[in-house]
Amino acid sequence: AQRVTQPEKLLSVFKGAPVELKCNYSYSGSPELFWYVQYSRQRLQLLLRHISRESIKGFTADLNKGETSFHLKKPFAQEEDSAMYYCALSTSGGSYIPTFGRGTSLIVHP
Amino acid sequence: GAGVSQSPSNKVTEKGKDVELRCDPISGHTALYWYRQSLGQGLEFLIYFQGNSAPDKSGLPSDRFSAERTGGSVSTLTIQRTQQEDSAVYLCASSLSTGLNEQYFGPGTRLTVT
Repeated sequence: AQRVTQPEKLLSVFKGAPVELKCNYSYSGSPELFWYVQYSRQRLQLLLRHISRESIKGFTADLNKGETSFHLKKPFAQEEDSAMYYCALSTSGGSYIPTFGRGTSLIVHP
Repeated sequence: GAGVSQSPSNKVTEKGKDVELRCDPISGHTALYWYRQSLGQGLEFLIYFQGNSAPDKSGLPSDRFSAERTGGSVSTLTIQRTQQEDSAVYLCASSLSTGLNEQYFGPGTRLTVT
């Protein structure tokens, strides 16, 4: 069975500090990984996906198959990055239902 | 274009009553998902519709929960004999085909069972 683990419920940093939101997954095949973000009073939306290899709003995430991780990173956090972040895993085999982690609440203090 | 819409945005109901939550997916999206979002629990998958295939109901927590999707478009999630533990935000999402595609989420329905 596939699983996504986000070990931190809450991550609190100061503006300008680096931030890393951890995501570990378990799946024996080739995963498709996503980060979704939910800002206050907004709907959940896609931030980035590993296959696109993009940097969105200064965030990057690299798929590390050896460590089965897909950590989200940003070198200099901004106050507007404060939000709830969810890591999600989809697979090309079997069920197409994405599995979401429990989410990490990021708070960036001024 | 129009995104995923859900109604009502808020619903307060008494324990034991039935409720219906509605989702209008993005036109042309064949996949539709229902999730439940509770504080500290993340997103809990409930049910998945894909085109004309039989829905995947594996996430429904009890037989009080059911959902249907008419004409491959609008979906309704029904909770019968609501319990206080059903209180949560119910999210609907749609995608072009499978979960390998980006999911577009609705604003959610906040259900409070008193």
